Amino acid sequence: DQQVKQNSPSLSVQEGRISILNCDYTNSMFDYFLWYKKYPAEGPTFLISISSIKDKNEDGRFTVFLNKSAKHLSLHIVPSQPGDSAVYFCAASAEAGNTGKLIFGQGTTLQVKP
Amino acid sequence: GAGVSQSPSNKVTEKGKDVELRCDPISGHTALYWYRQSLGQGLEFLIYFQGNSAPDKSGLPSDRFSAERTGGSVSTLTIQRTQQEDSAVYLCASSFFSEGPYGYTFGSGTRLTVV
Repeated sequence: DQQVKQNSPSLSVQEGRISILNCDYTNSMFDYFLWYKKYPAEGPTFLISISSIKDKNEDGRFTVFLNKSAKHLSLHIVPSQPGDSAVYFCAASAEAGNTGKLIFGQGTTLQVKP
Repeated sequence: GAGVSQSPSNKVTEKGKDVELRCDPISGHTALYWYRQSLGQGLEFLIYFQGNSAPDKSGLPSDRFSAERTGGSVSTLTIQRTQQEDSAVYLCASSFFSEGPYGYTFGSGTRLTVV
């Protein structure tokens, strides 16, 4: 049972345009959501997060939106840069305050073309 | 060390052999996690260690998998009688317990190939 789903395995955008990466979840107990970025041959690195009590969190070019009723979150990157090309993982936790265990999606490979 | 160190970075093994994967977490990090990423899949939780508490083994896929963490630091993930479906990148992460998932620092992973 895939509790966190990223239905788009890949996305290609032009440099300077907006990248929108989507993520859906099924477990209503999830209370923290995070996005990780992964380059080849490296471990994932934390990018941005959002608590379930918020609907938006912004950090520079990166904004995460949370729609609890739809159990959907998205990551917006504006403007997209070639260095943003990587695999992006959505992750969720129902017990962030206890164990920090995360449930990850399958990942979306973003390619930003110059 | 400055980051989470995993060894070996690559491992090719014959089906049926046992393998050990090592993780050196960031010094002082009390929580340690193992995940794996199979081809085309997301990161799958395997096991979690926190201090002296009993580990959360709920993600281990079979009894061929085991892990230990000695002295609250280095962890070893052991896979016995490897199968081809065990081929994946095995990732270790550590964090300060109080930081939860925000403080995750991942290692670069061990790519395991079972032939």
